[in-house]
Amino acid sequence: ETGVTQTPRHLVMGMTNKKSLKCEQHLGHNAMYWYKQSAKKPLELMFVYSLEERVENNSVPSRFSPECPNSSHLFLHLHTLQPEDSALYLCASSQDSRGLAGREQFFGPGTRLTVL
Amino acid sequence: GNSVTQMEGPVTLSEEAFLTINCTYTATGYPSLFWYVQYPGEGLQLLLKATKADDKGSNKGFEATYRKETTSFHLEKGSVQVSDSAVYFCALSGTSGTYKYIFGTGTRLKVLS
Repeated sequence: ETGVTQTPRHLVMGMTNKKSLKCEQHLGHNAMYWYKQSAKKPLELMFVYSLEERVENNSVPSRFSPECPNSSHLFLHLHTLQPEDSALYLCASSQDSRGLAGREQFFGPGTRLTVL
Repeated sequence: GNSVTQMEGPVTLSEEAFLTINCTYTATGYPSLFWYVQYPGEGLQLLLKATKADDKGSNKGFEATYRKETTSFHLEKGSVQVSDSAVYFCALSGTSGTYKYIFGTGTRLKVLS
């Protein structure tokens, strides 16, 4: 595997379910991110981890719970979601969390989440 | 605060037409600037970047020049193809010593054959 991988690619869940999204990066990066992409809305940054420590949390509801056990893996735990949480969830990684010296982010393909 | 503004879409062009997607930014310090592209059903991928004033990034026939005097980073391509149909995001990073990658809202491009 190369780059950033995400599983599952598609997920349908009911509002009472608990599920987790997984992201893995094979690039040796130190920072990882979760974004939410909804139709007709800007890309929303949800969480940032740098060296496995959360450095940014953009007022995300507590029904989303991130976990970063090491610099290569990032999870997003989901519970009691709402239909408006249906979106494409993108994971990204970068060499550092400040994007210095032109270091870009590398994105995974995303998980398409549908909440019924 | 820091921000990126890009032109509203969708942009619809005929094949071989000239493309410009405008992007302007507001930032303290000296950010790096990026264009990302998102094809249907995929994540974002880097198209090109520039790290200092007057740098020109280029890739796959696309170009953008970092213009500090006008705080712009407009994306151009001389002759678009149907396969260029996608959403294009302008972004910046690395300002003022704090974390930040900031993205524009995206511009959808549709190229007709």
